[in-house]
Amino acid sequence: GAVVSQHPSWVICKSGTSVKIECRSLDFQATTMFWYRQFPKQSLMLMATSNEGSKATYEQGVEKDKFLINHASLTLSTLTVTSAHPEDSSFYICSAFPQMDEQFFGPGTRLTVL
Amino acid sequence: GENVEQHPSTLSVQEGDSAVIKCTYSDSASNYFPWYKQELGKRPQLIIDIRSNVGEKKDQRIAVTLNKTAKHFSLHITETQPEDSAVYFCAASSGGYQKVTFGIGTKLQVIP
Repeated sequence: GAVVSQHPSWVICKSGTSVKIECRSLDFQATTMFWYRQFPKQSLMLMATSNEGSKATYEQGVEKDKFLINHASLTLSTLTVTSAHPEDSSFYICSAFPQMDEQFFGPGTRLTVL
Repeated sequence: GENVEQHPSTLSVQEGDSAVIKCTYSDSASNYFPWYKQELGKRPQLIIDIRSNVGEKKDQRIAVTLNKTAKHFSLHITETQPEDSAVYFCAASSGGYQKVTFGIGTKLQVIP
C-alpha cells in the first residue's frame, strides 16, 4: 500500500536554530503534499499546501518566511522551521494523496525547541 | 473556508456499549467526509469515509451517517472494545486532492 515517510521522527534543537523535516512518498508520485501541525491534545491544523515545482500555499496566520517549504521533486517535500523558538515545539505531520480522496499521513516529527 | 465542529470532546463508555460522535460542517461544497483514528504519538489512520451521494455506510462495527441537508455527519461504533480507545477526528473536504479540514477531535475511552 501507499506509504508516506518522514524524517526525522523526532528532533531536539536549541532556540534560534533551523530544523529541516523531510516528507517522502515512497511508492507513488505526489504533486501536492500537505503540512500539518498538532499541539498536544489538539487537532491537526493545516499549515500549508506544498506544490511540486511552484510556491507553497500557506494558510492564514502561518508565516511563510518562518516555515519554508520546498517541493523539488514528485516524491519529496521539505519543511524548514527557521529560527525555531520553544513555541514552535509541536508534532509536524505531512500527508499526500496516492489517489483521489485517499489521504495518507506520514508518521510525524516531534520537534522540541529548548 | 470550511469549518468543522465536533462533539463531544471526550467520551467514556463501558466495553460493549456503543459510542456516537457528531460533526457539523459549514461549506456546502464539501462532499467527502473521512474519519480518522489517532493513537497517542502516532499518525492519523483513516477508518471510514462517506461521500455526499450516500446517506450511510457501514464497515463491521463502524458506521457513518450523513445528512447533507443539515450538514451533519456522525460516527457510530458498536460493541466497543478497549482497543477502540483513541482520539477520533472527523473531517471534510471538497474531495479529489483538496485539503481536508479537521474537527477538534474526540477522545474515546472504553472502560473494560
